[in-house]
Amino acid sequence: NAGVTQTPKFQVLKTGQSMTLQCAQDMNHEYMSWYRQDPGMGLRLIHYSVGAGITDQGEVPNGYNVSRSTTEDFPLRLLSAAPSQTSVYFCASSGASGYTFGSGTRLTVV
Amino acid sequence: GESVGLHLPTLSVQEGDNSIINCAYSNSASDYFIWYKQESGKGPQFIIDIRSNMDKRQGQRVTVLLNKTVKHLSLQIAATQPGDSAVYFCAETEQGAGSYQLTFGKGTKLSVIP
Repeated sequence: NAGVTQTPKFQVLKTGQSMTLQCAQDMNHEYMSWYRQDPGMGLRLIHYSVGAGITDQGEVPNGYNVSRSTTEDFPLRLLSAAPSQTSVYFCASSGASGYTFGSGTRLTVV
Repeated sequence: GESVGLHLPTLSVQEGDNSIINCAYSNSASDYFIWYKQESGKGPQFIIDIRSNMDKRQGQRVTVLLNKTVKHLSLQIAATQPGDSAVYFCAETEQGAGSYQLTFGKGTKLSVIP
């Protein structure tokens, strides 16, 4: 099993550009979530989904959109990137086997 | 313990010694707690978990202690090895309320001196 796969691993954006961070899981987990991690801090929840077609906001949702059209995929969209969104982004899924995190996407907005 | 500002608290231990990493949580309704290990450039990796109906749980070389009275969680690593060097996070959630949302502590950096 691949677990949780995130792409890309690294990305540099200019302020105002848009992009989508991809996340896919092959464990048939209903729950998926996106976190951001800033230096010296723990992970903060951006958005989450409890199943296909259902999404909700976490602690820091502003500037991000999500959708969940399938159980496997949970993309995170930045519509107009800002330097404050420079961070490392982690996707996670959760099921009976517990929480599994992807390896992260390091995003720099200049 | 919990960090303040941008600097993670650091725990330095000699190889072979035991390590104790502490975490204070804030939500008295949290009923499920997890410790994660994060190595540089990687995602959080599950170490051990504990539910609120327990006060101690042991794994291989790791033990988690939960004190609900003071809302405190600790991770004990026995015979610490260089491979244990990483940042350790505690996380909490209200699983009994149907939530899967994890709230993370800010982390503690463990450095093992060979």
